[in-house]
Amino acid sequence: DAGVIQSPRHEVTEMGQEVTLRCKPISGHNSLFWYRQTMMRGLELLIYFNNNVPIDDSGMPEDRFSAKMPNASFSTLKIQPSEPRDSAVYFCASSGQANYGYTFGSGTRLTVV
Amino acid sequence: AQSVAQPEDQVNVAEGNPLTVKCTYSVSGNPYLFWYVQYPNRGLQFLLKYITGDNLVKGSYGFEAEFNKSQTSFHLKKPSALVSDSALYFCAVRDQVNNAGKSTFGDGTTLTVKP
Repeated sequence: DAGVIQSPRHEVTEMGQEVTLRCKPISGHNSLFWYRQTMMRGLELLIYFNNNVPIDDSGMPEDRFSAKMPNASFSTLKIQPSEPRDSAVYFCASSGQANYGYTFGSGTRLTVV
Repeated sequence: AQSVAQPEDQVNVAEGNPLTVKCTYSVSGNPYLFWYVQYPNRGLQFLLKYITGDNLVKGSYGFEAEFNKSQTSFHLKKPSALVSDSALYFCAVRDQVNNAGKSTFGDGTTLTVKP
C-alpha cells in the first residue's frame, strides 16, 4: 500500500483565495482525521470521519473551513477564503480498528500570503 | 474524557546513553496507548503501541515502552540513544470503548541526542 496520500505537498496562495487539500486514506481504513500543525499551537485535530460520516468537527476553527468525505477513498479540506493565519502544515491520517495506530500522510504545507 | 500529558518539552541526552521520554494519561476505561515520532518536514510515524498483555512493548528502531497502570504512565525508552533518534515524539491514548476510535495526542517532546 502506498500509505496515506496527500496533495498538494506545498501550496502558496494569496489571502482571500480558496484552497482545497486532498487526502486518499489507506484502503480498508474506516476512520479519517484532519490535523493542523503549527509551532504556536502544536498538533490540532480539526475533524474526523468514521465510515465517511463526520463524527466530530469541533476543532474546525471557523466557518471558512469545511471538510467532506464523499467516499471511502477520498476526502477534502477546503478553506474559503484563506487568511495568513491559516498558514500551517495540514496532515491527514487514517486508521482501521480502534487498537490500530494512525497512519499519517506527508502533509500539505500551506502558506497564505 | 481522555487526556495525555508529556511533562517535558525537551529532552537532551548524549549518544550512547539511555533515554526516557515521559507520558502520563487519563481515560475513563482501559487505554490503548501509542507512541509516534516525527522527523523534520515529515508526517508522524507510528513507533509502538500497548493494547493488552505484557506491560513492556517493543517497537521500531530499538524503542520500547512500559505500561504502568497504577501510575497511568507509558514512558518511551531506549537503552542506547543515537544522534539519528533526534526528533519530535508524541504519546497518544485512546479509550478502548469510548470516543469512537479517536486518539488524543500529547503536545510532543523534542528529543535531542548529542554526539
